[in-house]
Amino acid sequence: GENVEQHPSTLSVQEGDSAVIKCTYSDSASNYFPWYKQELGKGPQLIIDIRSNVGEKKDQRIAVTLNKTAKHFSLHITETQPEDSAVYFCAARDYNKLIFGAGTRLAVHP
Amino acid sequence: EAGVTQSPTHLIKTRGQQATLRCSPISGHTSVYWYQQALGLGLQFLLWYDEGEERNRGNFPPRFSGRQFPNYSSELNVNALELEDSALYLCASSTRLAPNEQYFGPGTRLTVT
Repeated sequence: GENVEQHPSTLSVQEGDSAVIKCTYSDSASNYFPWYKQELGKGPQLIIDIRSNVGEKKDQRIAVTLNKTAKHFSLHITETQPEDSAVYFCAARDYNKLIFGAGTRLAVHP
Repeated sequence: EAGVTQSPTHLIKTRGQQATLRCSPISGHTSVYWYQQALGLGLQFLLWYDEGEERNRGNFPPRFSGRQFPNYSSELNVNALELEDSALYLCASSTRLAPNEQYFGPGTRLTVT
């Protein structure tokens, strides 16, 4: 089955800096890779996703890149703001279930 | 548009009891997924229901079960509760046409003492 590894587990940046979170997956058949943001006391919120026929996708300050050959994908957040502080999860689709990484706790300091 | 709703918000049970958690999907969504998020860990897939049928289950013992009702809402039942069942239980829903895009509810925090 699919296995997803996520790094780093914690990330601390200054407001305005960029943040990058990386994930690797094991099943070359996986074709959908979402990213979720989870704030304290809330459920995960889908913030961006990418499909295997696309190498990069952007949505304002966030972007995701996918390297199918290397089986890794990354989340890039530019011009970070304090409200970006949260736990971020990557995932890969395995049939109709999502296999999640362990999460990255991002802290953005003013 | 209302999001996925879950009840109760918190649930405290003692070891050996049964817990029932409820989920209402987004209007128009027919699939419901259940995930377990233990403290400090990622989300682990539990169950997937679509059109009233269980379609897939994760690596959890049979005492984790559930069902989906004709209105697509769902229940998760956990029998013979153990201390390690303490976790946040998250429900997500999706449409049949876009099964990848799963939208999560706020979760039910289950504490087993």
